[in-house]
Amino acid sequence: AQRVTQPEKLLSVFKGAPVELKCNYSYSGSPELFWYVQYSRQRLQLLLRHISRESIKGFTADLNKGETSFHLKKPFAQEEDSAMYYCALRGDYGGSQGNLIFGKGTKLSVKP
Amino acid sequence: GAGVSQSPSNKVTEKGKDVELRCDPISGHTALYWYRQSLGQGLEFLIYFQGNSAPDKSGLPSDRFSAERTGGSVSTLTIQRTQQEDSAVYLCASSFVKDTEAFFGQGTRLTVV
Repeated sequence: AQRVTQPEKLLSVFKGAPVELKCNYSYSGSPELFWYVQYSRQRLQLLLRHISRESIKGFTADLNKGETSFHLKKPFAQEEDSAMYYCALRGDYGGSQGNLIFGKGTKLSVKP
Repeated sequence: GAGVSQSPSNKVTEKGKDVELRCDPISGHTALYWYRQSLGQGLEFLIYFQGNSAPDKSGLPSDRFSAERTGGSVSTLTIQRTQQEDSAVYLCASSFVKDTEAFFGQGTRLTVV
């Protein structure tokens, strides 16, 4: 079964500290992994996807197939990073399924 | 419009009543998705449309839930005989084709009293 696990409901760090939001997935094939972010009173938006291998707003995420993980990292957190972060998986890339499977989300709080 | 539009933004309904939630996807987007966002539960997939057809209805929680899409554009999610556990934010997303970036609407907050 396809599943995305975000073990932390809440992560609180101080400004300037490193951040790592954990994401593990369960999928037997070759999934596509994403991080979505939802800032307060804003709509859910794509932060990054593993196939593009980009760094967005200082965030990076590396797909580790051996550990089935896709942790989101940033070396120095900023207050404006405070938001809800969702890890998502799209299975069967190029196949018949199109929907994203989301984790339950991690609320990141960056304190001044 | 510039983005995915959902209406109404808020809906309060009495238990047992039917509700319709509307989604206007980005023009030209062939894939459309409905999700439900409940407190502490993350985003729960409900249904996915490719054009007007729904190849994946596996996420609909009960037969009280149904959805349709007409003209490859607007979609309506209908909940019949609403229950209190249906209270949630219902999110719609669209993408150009199914494997491209999905853009989300602002959601409809449904409260069943």
